[in-house]
Amino acid sequence: DGGITQSPKYLFRKEGQNVTLSCEQNLNHDAMYWYRQDPGQGLRLIYYSQIVNDFQKGDIAEGYSVSREKKESFPLTVTSAQKNPTAFYLCASSIIGQPSGASPLHFGNGTRLTVT
Amino acid sequence: ILNVEQSPQSLHVQEGDSTNFTCSFPSSNFYALHWYRWETAKSPEALFVMTLNGDEKKKGRISATLNTKEGYSYLYIKGSQPEDSATYLCAPGMTTDSWGKLQFGAGTQVVVTP
Repeated sequence: DGGITQSPKYLFRKEGQNVTLSCEQNLNHDAMYWYRQDPGQGLRLIYYSQIVNDFQKGDIAEGYSVSREKKESFPLTVTSAQKNPTAFYLCASSIIGQPSGASPLHFGNGTRLTVT
Repeated sequence: ILNVEQSPQSLHVQEGDSTNFTCSFPSSNFYALHWYRWETAKSPEALFVMTLNGDEKKKGRISATLNTKEGYSYLYIKGSQPEDSATYLCAPGMTTDSWGKLQFGAGTQVVVTP
């Protein structure tokens, strides 16, 4: 079955360390996204990518970095510059349809990151 | 960043009862409205993508309406069942935003009790 795999499910890190969250999809989707969820807030977009080797900042990109070397993979690195990294992170993908914005997102199960 | 409001924040429903809740968003520059269901320990699942004013979508006992002129959408659950317990997220997309960018509301948490 096609889907999106995020790993690990839980991640613990010490403050000051960079950490990379994995996201792999086998849906053959061109677009991939990273969202962050904090209690009581909506999902906030960190980065997104429409095509291999290209990505754009979302609303809260500071302290994060991404790469898109393969269509299937869109890893997110939470750097030590991110002031409040403890959160739940969701990866998603979609087709690039016309018109844009009308294609539903397919989500992974998320990674809960705790930084102490 | 858009102001997307979902109300109520949470609601408790007796099994068999029907319920509805709201998503409000700026009406200008609207393009599409997404609804997602997010069950505990699962990933969010797309319910509907709506683009036209007056659009109505239905999936089983769940339906949604859209008013783009006044900037709101209702989601209805008819004859609620315990498996409907989830957080329901709405996310409008606007023409002024970059491609594919959605703004999510904080969600309405629905608890259906037997």
